[in-house]
Amino acid sequence: QQKVQQSPESLIVPEGAMTSLNCTFSDSASQYFAWYRQHSGKAPKALMSIFSNGEKEEGRFTIHLNKASLHFSLHIRDSQPSDSALYLCAVIADTGYQNFYFGKGTSLTVIP
Amino acid sequence: NSKVIQTPRYLVKGQGQKAKMRCIPEKGHPVVFWYQQNKNNEFKFLINFQNQEVLQQIDMTEKRFSAECPSNSPCSLEIQSSEAGDSALYLCASSLGRQTNERLFFGHGTKLSVL
Repeated sequence: QQKVQQSPESLIVPEGAMTSLNCTFSDSASQYFAWYRQHSGKAPKALMSIFSNGEKEEGRFTIHLNKASLHFSLHIRDSQPSDSALYLCAVIADTGYQNFYFGKGTSLTVIP
Repeated sequence: NSKVIQTPRYLVKGQGQKAKMRCIPEKGHPVVFWYQQNKNNEFKFLINFQNQEVLQQIDMTEKRFSAECPSNSPCSLEIQSSEAGDSALYLCASSLGRQTNERLFFGHGTKLSVL
């Protein structure tokens, strides 16, 4: 059974700071890695995803994957109060059924 | 705004009662997932469908839940006999297909409280 763990559990940063969120997974055969964001009382929403080792940048968000280390991360540049939310990482190992395994999330608070 | 519609938003049941929730997936999405998110934010996969066919489900779902995705009707998830441990947010999500890179689109969820 895939184990997906996130760190830290919660994070408070000032507006404008760089925020880094981490996710580790246990199955080295994992093939798809994604970040979702869930604002309080709202539906989780996909942010970014990556398949192969390296980095991918979209606006203020960068995802970094190192399969050998079983680790991927999300970096938020110039964090804004509107970024305050629960961030969930998700991993797929079995491409046949697209079964996502989610971490427990990192609760991010950005203080103005 | 989410285009995956879940009803009701809140559901309160007594132990032993049935609890039924519904989901209309995003138009054109043949794959539907149900997840349970507990108060610690842990996501538990329950079941997924492609069109009307069950792809995967966990033991708990098979034994205690009834789920279906009929054509031209909302998908549904029903707990046959609610337990206190079933209190959670039930999230429905849909996607375009079984390809690895298909993102999930979630509904707002049904928050179930079992008294």
